[in-house]
Order: sequence, then C-alpha cells, then structure tokens
Amino acid sequence: KNQVEQSPQSLIILEGKNCTLQCNYTVSPFSNLRWYKQDTGRGPVSLTIMTFSENTKSNGRYTATLDADTKQSSLHITASQLSDSASYICVVSAPDYKLSFGAGTTVTVRA
Amino acid sequence: GAVVSQHPSWVICKSGTSVKIECRSLDFQATTMFWYRQFPKQSLMLMATSNEGSKATYEQGVEKDKFLINHASLTLSTLTVTSAHPEDSSFYICSAQRLGGANTGELFFGEGSRLTVL
Repeated sequence: KNQVEQSPQSLIILEGKNCTLQCNYTVSPFSNLRWYKQDTGRGPVSLTIMTFSENTKSNGRYTATLDADTKQSSLHITASQLSDSASYICVVSAPDYKLSFGAGTTVTVRA
Repeated sequence: GAVVSQHPSWVICKSGTSVKIECRSLDFQATTMFWYRQFPKQSLMLMATSNEGSKATYEQGVEKDKFLINHASLTLSTLTVTSAHPEDSSFYICSAQRLGGANTGELFFGEGSRLTVL
C-alpha cells in the first residue's frame, strides 16, 4: 500500500477560483514533506518543503499546511490562473532520506 | 539554485537499438539519483535508485537488464534503455538528492527525456 495518498486524483476549476489538494501519509518516522508542481512534458519543480515543526508555508499563491499529528497536508491554490494547470505531487521524506511519492493530483484551470 | 540537467531532452530511435540518457547535477554532488518513467496523464513511477559507486536498486517489476543504470561519479548517472521497443516509449525523468550543507535532502528534478521508439 502506498504510504502517500493524494486526493482528489484530478479536479477542474474555473480561473480565479481557489482549490485545495490533500495529501495523507503513513510514513513514520517523518522528516519533511514537499509539494512539487509538474507541468505537462516538464520535470517537477519544488513549491514548498516543510519539516515536522512547520505547519504552514507559502510560495506566492500556493500555501501548504501540515498536521504532523494526523499526518495530513494540504496545498491551497488561491485565485487560480490558467498556468496553474499541472500535476501536483506530494513527497514525504523519512529521516534516512528515503522518499515516498504520492500519485499526484491533476489540476485543470479553465477560463 | 541547484540544477539537474538531463540529456537528450527527446530522442527517436528504431526498435532494437539502445538509448542512453544522462542525468547531471550541475552544482552539487549527488550520491543518490532517482530514475522515473511517466506515461501520458499518469504520475511518476519510480524505476530505480542510483547510488554512486554501487549497483542501482530497482523497483519491483523493472527489468534491470533492460534498464541499465550507471552512477560512475557524484554528478552523473546514466540510464540506458537496451534493445528498445515501442512499449518503452515514455517520458523518463531523473532527480538528484542533495545531501550535506543547507537544504540537505532537497530533491531536484531534471527536465525529462522523451523517448519514442519506432
């Protein structure tokens, strides 16, 4: 069973609206959690990295939250733009740097 | 910031030939690199973990004789798709993990290499 579960698998939103992506993990012990954005045909690019002691981190219109107690993270996209259409991948790192990848959420922003 | 470079970015080859893809970490040493493949509209699938100076660790279901990985230096890992067939056509991505110093453990991805086997 995958140790990192993302939901929803995909979503469609209208330009200008907000959306929230979820990431639940069972990795333990846990070192940090990262969110990546992958545009079609490109490599993933880092959005945020949070350690267990951080519960929120922002990068422009992207805000990630982390609840290490419930092992849940979310990525909130504010005022979505067409360029936000991409796959968003949650990656959890153990203290030994072993990585566990989520399957990703595909976001489609429509005008 | 750190950069991971992949080459070539796209390649077309005939069935039965072998193709080599390079992954370089440009401004840091990476003892560990990862190789993934990605089919259209699907998520990244980890193929193998490449460790400098030792044999790669392959994920279940990935043929190690089909996908040869060499990590001969701290900045270069190569993936060779041997005797490629059309079903090997995919998007191959590498990543490198920076250890030591600031942001240790941070993961950087290459831009990917699109392989089309005719």
